[in-house]
Amino acid sequence: QQQVKQSPQSLIVQKGGISIINCAYENTAFDYFPWYQQFPGKGPALLIAIRPDVSEKKEGRFTISFNKSAKQFSLHIMDSQPGDSATYFCAASFDKIIFGKGTRLHILP
Amino acid sequence: DGGITQSPKYLFRKEGQNVTLSCEQNLNHDAMYWYRQDPGQGLRLIYYSQIVNDFQKGDIAEGYSVSREKKESFPLTVTSAQKNPTAFYLCASSIMAGRIYEQYFGPGTRLTVT
Repeated sequence: QQQVKQSPQSLIVQKGGISIINCAYENTAFDYFPWYQQFPGKGPALLIAIRPDVSEKKEGRFTISFNKSAKQFSLHIMDSQPGDSATYFCAASFDKIIFGKGTRLHILP
Repeated sequence: DGGITQSPKYLFRKEGQNVTLSCEQNLNHDAMYWYRQDPGQGLRLIYYSQIVNDFQKGDIAEGYSVSREKKESFPLTVTSAQKNPTAFYLCASSIMAGRIYEQYFGPGTRLTVT
C-alpha cells in the first residue's frame, strides 16, 4: 500500500515529441504528488507537483495529469528537448514521502 | 544563498574504514533525510530526523549511523558493517516535521570503497 509504481523504466523520444511517464499508487491518504528531475551526478530537483483536488497542472512544457479515481498520475513533457534527458522520479506523500523507482529519459537530437 | 550542501563530492575509502558524510542546510527546515541511490534502484531511505536529537531508521539503516545535534546538520557515518557501501548518497530536507510536501535535495556524495 505504500508503493508508488512508475513506468516505464526507460524511455527514448525524438526531439520535439511528447514524453509520457506514468505512476500509480494505492494509499488514498497520499495528498501531494511531486515530480523530481535528476541529471547525472546531481541531486534530484523538484520539477512540478499537484494536489488531488485538481486534475491537471501545467508549467511551461511540463504537465501533470491526475486521475484520483484510478489512483494514477502522469508527467507529460511537450516538445521534448535534448536538455530534458534526465531521470524522472514521481512521488507521493502525506506524513512520509514515497518515491517511484525512476524513469531514464533520453531525447534524441 | 539558501540550500543544502554535501561534502565532499567524491570520497574514496578502504574497506573496513568508517567514513562520515557531511550534510548542512541553511533553509531552517525541521526535517532531514539520508538516501542511498544505486543504478536502477531509485532512492532508498537510510535515516531521517524530524527534530534535533531525534532520528529514526529508514528502510536500509543497517551499517549506517547518524546524529542530529544541530538543526542545520545531519551527518551520516557509513560503518565497516555496511556490506556494499559504494553508492551515491543524497541528503534532503523538508520544511515541516510530520507533514511532507516539497523535499529539497543536496548535490550528493559519491562514495567508493575498495
